Amino acid sequence: GQQLNQSPQSMFIQEGEDVSMNCTSSSIFNTWLWYKQDPGEGPVLLIALYKAGELTSNGRLTAQFGITRKDSFLNISASIPSDVGIYFCAGATGNQFYFGTGTSLTVIP
Amino acid sequence: EAQVTQNPRYLITVTGKKLTVTCSQNMNHEYMSWYRQDPGLGLRQIYYSMNVEVTDKGDVPEGYKVSRKEKRNFPLILESPSPNQTSLYFCASSLGPGPLHFGNGTRLTVT
Repeated sequence: GQQLNQSPQSMFIQEGEDVSMNCTSSSIFNTWLWYKQDPGEGPVLLIALYKAGELTSNGRLTAQFGITRKDSFLNISASIPSDVGIYFCAGATGNQFYFGTGTSLTVIP
Repeated sequence: EAQVTQNPRYLITVTGKKLTVTCSQNMNHEYMSWYRQDPGLGLRQIYYSMNVEVTDKGDVPEGYKVSRKEKRNFPLILESPSPNQTSLYFCASSLGPGPLHFGNGTRLTVT
């Protein structure tokens, strides 16, 4: 099965810093999704993107659907300790979902 | 509250002893699927179902079975579990092409 290239694999940042992570694929997707997973919990949807070029915000989070439909990025501004967790991207075409391997974020107070 | 409910959350079993992990959603979603999550490998799809009585293999279906007799339920069956099926399992559902909603996971250990 296809896996998306997600980078970076891990990040250690100071509280208050901005964070950026991205996902790339060799395939075109109709939908890009960003999830956050806390330890011992299921992934929770952060942002859904449905159109190439779309830029969507959810509080301090901003994500964009790449123009080529093969990539997406997620930015977190002014990070706080509760941003700690693993962030996953997912690309979807119809009912087929493909996931990145995740970015582990550690925020140092 | 809209949710996907998996049971049990934790399960320890022995090789060869049949087990079922249940999954139920209350959102009237047509699409349901099962994933396993292993370190360094991310989420890999086991089986999915587009609607009642319609199921199909994902990327790693060997050793697993599913059924979809009702829209809300999508159990995962391990007829003869083996240690390489020790993993964290997630059930998920979605409405058509919409985003997946995940359950809280089932951590399975097979000794």
